[in-house]
Amino acid sequence: DTAVSQTPKYLVTQMGNDKSIKCEQNLGHDTMYWYKQDSKKFLKIMFSYNNKELIINETVPNRFSPKSPDKAHLNLHINSLELGDSAVYFCASSPGDGNTIYFGEGSWLTVV
Amino acid sequence: AQSVSQHNHHVILSEAASLELGCNYSYGGTVNLFWYVQYPGQHLQLLLKYFSGDPLVKGIKGFEAEFIKSKFSFNLRKPSVQWSDTAEYFCAVNAWGSARQLTFGSGTQLTVLP
Repeated sequence: DTAVSQTPKYLVTQMGNDKSIKCEQNLGHDTMYWYKQDSKKFLKIMFSYNNKELIINETVPNRFSPKSPDKAHLNLHINSLELGDSAVYFCASSPGDGNTIYFGEGSWLTVV
Repeated sequence: AQSVSQHNHHVILSEAASLELGCNYSYGGTVNLFWYVQYPGQHLQLLLKYFSGDPLVKGIKGFEAEFIKSKFSFNLRKPSVQWSDTAEYFCAVNAWGSARQLTFGSGTQLTVLP
């Protein structure tokens, strides 16, 4: 069974559209994350949730809105997509502070 | 806030060569240290981690790393690389009390020539 799964894996969409990426973890972890990896492979944290509560919200446009219906799910909704949003988005989870983070397989978003 | 530097952006080696990838971090307090690997088109996988204890840490696939606190370094090593080690390698730091934030270095692309 996949520990951290995210869908879709590939997404090609036009500028201005709204899209969502879903993430689920079956590890029983309390903390979930969204990371963005740009074209230069640089990884940057976007959001972190602990038990459905937002604890990290980095400088991300408010077009990006995370939603955590329960501690096993953390979805990412993006409004009014822009070309610069093209990247790989990784969902991840960890048991708690300072612990190993386990990554999903990534969602390749291309905005055209 | 903590930061992580990986000075080698792209390393090219022949098979059987020895590997050392540099990682330095800036943070004055206690840290947890990680190396992740990303094979082409895949997600990040944990290679090894250091939380405490023996500063020489052994990970999967023959990799090891040494934590040198006085140098704020956590360099990754492998005595003999294989073609299958071609990947992007990321060093990461979690500083205690950092609100659960794992900070990554910019990555090092390793290409191993057969």
